[in-house]
Amino acid sequence: DTVLTQSPALAVSPGERVTISCRASESVSTGMHWYQQKPGQQPKLLIYGASNLESGVPARFSGSGSGTDFTLTIDPVEADDTATYFCQQSWNDPRTFGGGTKLELK
Amino acid sequence: QVQLKESGPGLVQPSETLSLTCTVSGFSLTSNSVHWVRQPPGKGLEWMGIIRSGGSTDYNSALKSRLSISRDTSKSQVFLKMNSLQTEDTAIYYCANFRFDYWGQGVMVTVSS
Repeated sequence: DTVLTQSPALAVSPGERVTISCRASESVSTGMHWYQQKPGQQPKLLIYGASNLESGVPARFSGSGSGTDFTLTIDPVEADDTATYFCQQSWNDPRTFGGGTKLELK
Repeated sequence: QVQLKESGPGLVQPSETLSLTCTVSGFSLTSNSVHWVRQPPGKGLEWMGIIRSGGSTDYNSALKSRLSISRDTSKSQVFLKMNSLQTEDTAIYYCANFRFDYWGQGVMVTVSS
């Protein structure tokens, strides 16, 4: 199975730029997607196909990467962005998720 | 609009079988796939399986021997059955559409005697 590795946690100040990384154990081409999950809620799709912004998601969110290295960028970060962010690949079977990066605001 | 809603028992005895239902609205199961995903408390997401628009299924190999996904298109319902439950199967169980742009609220399942 394709293992997706994310840093466990990040802390940033409002107004700053933050990058959240996801590394795949094998190539997933551009079959990488990003989700935001707040406590007690279901995940919300932010980015699909590595760099495509989902409808209704603020343009502060962007994604990049291909192959094995991917990045979710939030610029500028707002207080409401406090959440856990998951990457997920759909290129290889089975689909797998990263362990999540918990974003905290200082 | 598109909606998915999971339902099922909140408590299951160890070694027993879990049965969950995902009721969808706003789209047809004959032209859309549905995933099941679970999340143990405080942990990450695990993809469990998919039932495709044509009715075929794919499962996470780690769960394949215990898991079955089926559907009733006339009732717009997708079913998950997983046997031989253990405490590590305690989780929130979600259903989601093919693109994962719509998810249910999730149902918490606790495996305990």
